Amino acid sequence: DQQVKQNSPSLSVQEGRISILNCDYTNSMFDYFLWYKKYPAEGPTFLISISSIKDKNEDGRFTVFLNKSAKHLSLHIVPSQPGDSAVYFCAASGSDSWGKLQFGAGTQVVVTP
Amino acid sequence: NAGVTQTPKFRILKIGQSMTLQCTQDMNHNYMYWYRQDPGMGLKLIYYSVGAGITDKGEVPNGYNVSRSTTEDFPLRLELAAPSQTSVYFCASSYSYNEQFFGPGTRLTVL
Repeated sequence: DQQVKQNSPSLSVQEGRISILNCDYTNSMFDYFLWYKKYPAEGPTFLISISSIKDKNEDGRFTVFLNKSAKHLSLHIVPSQPGDSAVYFCAASGSDSWGKLQFGAGTQVVVTP
Repeated sequence: NAGVTQTPKFRILKIGQSMTLQCTQDMNHNYMYWYRQDPGMGLKLIYYSVGAGITDKGEVPNGYNVSRSTTEDFPLRLELAAPSQTSVYFCASSYSYNEQFFGPGTRLTVL
């Protein structure tokens, strides 16, 4: 039973344009959401997070939006750079699961020149 | 700071063999985790620990064991390896229960 879903396995975007990655969840107890970035042969690295009391969080080129009623969050990368080419994982945790993160399957982003 | 280190990086096991995946963190984090990632899938939690001497099962604990005798170390033991345990294993640690720091992973193949 996958509680966090990333329905787009891949995304190709031109350098300088916006990348939009989507994530849906089913568990209404989730109250904290994170995005991780992963390069090949490396572990995931934390990118940005958002608490359910907010609907937007920005950090430089990265913005995460949360729509609680739709159980949907998205990650915007503006402008996209070649170094952003990686797999992006959405993750969620909730008050009923202590800190056990549920991960989506990931979206492979390729930024082309 | 080295962060989270894992050894070995790669390993091939025969069915029925056993091995221990090592994980060490130097950030003095209380929380530590073991995940596995199968191709095209997200990370799934195997075991976690909230401090030395305390461990608990995650989503996919069958076929694995852990121990946590120190804050720094959190080894994962595979007994009687099976092909279904072929995966990439990640260890992680965290100060709080949310933002986790990951090691580089161990790629395990069971033949």
